[in-house]
Amino acid sequence: ELKVEQNPLFLSMQEGKNYTIYCNYSTTSDRLYWYRQDPGKSLESLFVLLSNGAVKQEGRLMASLDTKARLSTLHITAAVHDLSATYFCAVVGGGTSYGKLTFGQGTILTVHP
Amino acid sequence: DTEVTQTPKHLVMGMTNKKSLKCEQHMGHRAMYWYKQKAKKPPELMFVYSYEKLSINESVPSRFSPECPNSSLLNLHLHALQPEDSALYLCASGPRTATTGEQYFGPGTRLTVT
Repeated sequence: ELKVEQNPLFLSMQEGKNYTIYCNYSTTSDRLYWYRQDPGKSLESLFVLLSNGAVKQEGRLMASLDTKARLSTLHITAAVHDLSATYFCAVVGGGTSYGKLTFGQGTILTVHP
Repeated sequence: DTEVTQTPKHLVMGMTNKKSLKCEQHMGHRAMYWYKQKAKKPPELMFVYSYEKLSINESVPSRFSPECPNSSLLNLHLHALQPEDSALYLCASGPRTATTGEQYFGPGTRLTVT
């Protein structure tokens, strides 16, 4: 069974600081997604990472994928209040999890002035 | 049109009611999904339709009944729900199955069972 673990689960940051959210997964996959969710809202797609070594950047967020280590990171640079949200990574499974998107627990990010 | 729409946005129903949730997309996607999300938890997959056929049912209780009338529409019929079924129900669509493309999520239906 595919397991996806994020850490930290809660992250309180000051504006202007940098931090990294980690996403580990248990079985081979070369397709990983990062989503953002604001309270009471739906999921917004941030990044799709399709191959080993993939790196994508959008504004203050940068995501990377290491399929050999089964690890993805979401790096936040010079955080601003607008980045406060819950961030989920999600991995497409194979085998008995074929066709399923399995989510990490989510990281609740709060950016303080 | 790059949107997935869901109706209603909010639904309150009693345990003896029958209601339906609706989802629509016009992106030509052939995979559609229902997820259930409880507060402060990740979405949990309920059903997957691929080319209008049910391909995955995650052992969801029979009081939830999905239907895919055509490639653009997905319904979730609800009957005799329990209070613990209260949650945000998200619909998503994707180009094919999740192995080949990302999923686009609708705004969700906030369901409260009284």
